[in-house]
Amino acid sequence: RKEVEQDPGPFNVPEGATVAFNCTYSNSASQSFFWYRQDCRKEPKLLMSVYSSGNEDGRFTAQLNRASQYISLLIRDSKLSDSATYLCVVNAWGGSQGNLIFGKGTKLSVKP
Amino acid sequence: NAGVTQTPKFRILKIGQSMTLQCTQDMNHNYMYWYRQDPGMGLKLIYYSVGAGITDKGEVPNGYNVSRSTTEDFPLRLELAAPSQTSVYFCASSTGELFFGEGSRLTVL
Repeated sequence: RKEVEQDPGPFNVPEGATVAFNCTYSNSASQSFFWYRQDCRKEPKLLMSVYSSGNEDGRFTAQLNRASQYISLLIRDSKLSDSATYLCVVNAWGGSQGNLIFGKGTKLSVKP
Repeated sequence: NAGVTQTPKFRILKIGQSMTLQCTQDMNHNYMYWYRQDPGMGLKLIYYSVGAGITDKGEVPNGYNVSRSTTEDFPLRLELAAPSQTSVYFCASSTGELFFGEGSRLTVL
């Protein structure tokens, strides 16, 4: 099992749709979880950290399921500007910042 | 507000040449990282540093070297460039959240 796995997509959705991405991770000792957004040919930027209790930021909701070892990202009311690749990031073990593992990303394309 | 600055943004190298990718940050972060990203792939950690004078290997360190003489600077050295090192290189610094530079696109021919 790969350390961090994501469905590469692409997810093609119309404006206003709700779309959800999942990401599975292999190390049950992982403590930190993040979603990053990467636009084409740009650097990744933090979208959200993912907390055990789940967290919401506007149209974006992130959740963590430790029992099944996955995190999810829900985007409501999709905008054209949401088109990007969404990267799941997990720390490989313990609290070491040096072991952040990136998934390959899920590509989202929002159409008019 | 510069954040993380990488130079050069683009470079073409011939096989066997060497070069240094520069990275500097002005946020006084202790943790710094070098990643490479191949097309359609996730970011792979090359080297990281937890503070000045301390560096450690990541997942794909072969063919690279780093140094960290100051908190601000974390250069990545490519020795004897090979076509397999054609990639986009990202430098980042962190206090938990990763802040990335804009990337350096390297082609080895």
